[in-house]
Parts: sequence; structure tokens; C-alpha cells
Amino acid sequence: DAGVIQSPRHEVTEMGQEVTLRCKPISGHDYLFWYRQTMMRGLELLIYFNNNVPIDDSGMPEDRFSAKMPNASFSTLKIQPSEPRDSAVYFCASSLGTGAYEQYFGPGTRLTVT
Amino acid sequence: GNSVTQMEGPVTLSEEAFLTINCTYTATGYPSLFWYVQYPGEGLQLLLKATKADDKGSNKGFEATYRKETTSFHLEKGSVQVSDSAVYFCALSDRRGGGADGLTFGKGTHLIIQP
Repeated sequence: DAGVIQSPRHEVTEMGQEVTLRCKPISGHDYLFWYRQTMMRGLELLIYFNNNVPIDDSGMPEDRFSAKMPNASFSTLKIQPSEPRDSAVYFCASSLGTGAYEQYFGPGTRLTVT
Repeated sequence: GNSVTQMEGPVTLSEEAFLTINCTYTATGYPSLFWYVQYPGEGLQLLLKATKADDKGSNKGFEATYRKETTSFHLEKGSVQVSDSAVYFCALSDRRGGGADGLTFGKGTHLIIQP
């Protein structure tokens, strides 16, 4: 298996632009998670899906952020409009379950908003 | 709410030294505990885990014991190698306590091993 795939690996955009991050989870995994990593706040859970349905989006920082999972093999995280404080590394992870189950992380997308 | 506290880094050691990275947690329920490792430019990888009190997780020479009485999950390795240089994250998952199904992470400890 190729593991969790994220694209792009790096994104540089100007403030006010729309940004879309993409994730392909491991086949057969029922859970998909989006995390954000910054120096100040560390790793934070933004949102997660179970069987393509959003379960908890309480970590999404504000309405500028949205996430979708149209099918079991694809998810997007969109920021519109982007701001410099959104600069971070965004990770997607998938797993077979929760609790004691291992989460498998993608390589991340490094977003820079200027 | 849930939280994880781990020692700040960077931690710099010489090769073959003994390693301890402290981790304590706060959880409303009965969490599973994890150590993840992140190498430069990569995503996180599971290093080891423990799901109940007194369980010991181990992998690649690393060990951590789930201590419920002290709410701790310290990471140890008897003899570190240069290849162990990475950022180490302690994390918990507390679904049974009614928390979110995602992981709650500590801030991470940057480990640097010098030859």
C-alpha cells in the first residue's frame, strides 16, 4: 500500500486566495483525520470523518476553513480566504478505528500564506 | 479536557547514552497512550502504544510503561543512536471518556544524538 497520500507537498499563496489541500487515505480505513501543526500550538485536530461523514469539526478554527469527504478515497481541506496566520503544516491521517487503533499519517502539506 | 505535557527540547545526547523523555497526561476517561516519532520532512509514525494500566509498549529498543497512578508514560531507551534523532510526540486517545476520537498530542521533544 502507498500509505496516506497528500498533495501538494508545498503551497505558497498570497493572503486572500483560496487554498485546497487534498488527501487520499489508506484503502479500507474508515476514519480520516485532519491535523494542523504549528510551532506555537503544536499538533491540533481540526476535523475527522467516519465512513465519509464529518463527526467532529470543533477544532476547525473559523468559518474560513471547510472540509469534505465525497467518497472513501478522497478528502479536501479548503481555506477561503487564506490569511498569513494559516501558515502551518497540515497533516491527513487515516485509521481502521479509534481508541487504541494506530493512525497512519501522510507526509503533510506545508502551507505558506504571504 | 484532555491534555498531554512532555519535556521541552531540544534534548542533545551522545551516541550510546540513556534516554528518558517525560510525558504526563490529563484525561477524563481511561485513555490509550502513544508515542509517535517524526523524522525531518515526514509525517508521524507510531513508535509504540499501551492501552491499559501497567502495560509496557516497546519497539526498536524504546519502551514506555502506562502508569495510571502517576498519569505518566515516559519514553526510555538504553542506548541511543544517531539515527534516533527526530521529534517525539506523546499522545492520548480518550474515546471512552467521551472525548473526540482524534489524538491529543504533547508539543513534541526534539532529540539530537551526536556521534
